[in-house]
Amino acid sequence: DVKVTQSSRYLVKRTGEKVFLECVQDMDHENMFWYRQDPGLGLRLIYFSYDVKMKEKGDIPEGYSVSREKKERFSLILESASTNQTSMYLCASSLDGTRVSYEQYFGPGTRLTVT
Amino acid sequence: DAKTTQPTSMDCAEGRAANLPCNHSTISGNEYVYWYRQIHSQGPQYIIHGLKNNETNEMASLIITEDRKSSTLILPHATLRDTAVYYCIVRVEVDYKLSFGAGTTVTVRA
Repeated sequence: DVKVTQSSRYLVKRTGEKVFLECVQDMDHENMFWYRQDPGLGLRLIYFSYDVKMKEKGDIPEGYSVSREKKERFSLILESASTNQTSMYLCASSLDGTRVSYEQYFGPGTRLTVT
Repeated sequence: DAKTTQPTSMDCAEGRAANLPCNHSTISGNEYVYWYRQIHSQGPQYIIHGLKNNETNEMASLIITEDRKSSTLILPHATLRDTAVYYCIVRVEVDYKLSFGAGTTVTVRA
């Protein structure tokens, strides 16, 4: 069974703190993604990675950075958390483009509150 | 990516089939129809996808009209655990980004 895990389900941080969100997948997928989901705004891509140490900006990368040192692990970093980064953060993974299907498998999400 | 239109909500009786419609009248020839769902407080879950032929897997069936301008997701025997928001999206196969609209909130009632 495919499995994407995220380090925390709920997280509360203070403004200005550095925040690390971790994601691990056990499916040997090449691609990994970080999204945020907000009411009325839907799902928005922050960053994705198609290989170890490779990353691409998504639609809303400002205020975030990512790290992928190992194939199975993709970290999202909020350098200096702000209240407008309060959101549900979702990690996903998928196989590389050589396969026919590109469905993404999601983790359970981390609900981050910045106060 | 082509835009999709789905009903805002629908109810379904437990044990009955749930038929979820989706309109995608501007779909391009190389765009696939994908369905995901999101149960409350969980991450989205992939259900099924197709190009032009009907598809079936252990979760659902996908019926795509011949002109590809609309499709229907069928949950053959809905259970209470199928209560979720269902998203229909169209995307090219190599597009790395998923983008969900408002989806259809499906409530399965006992």
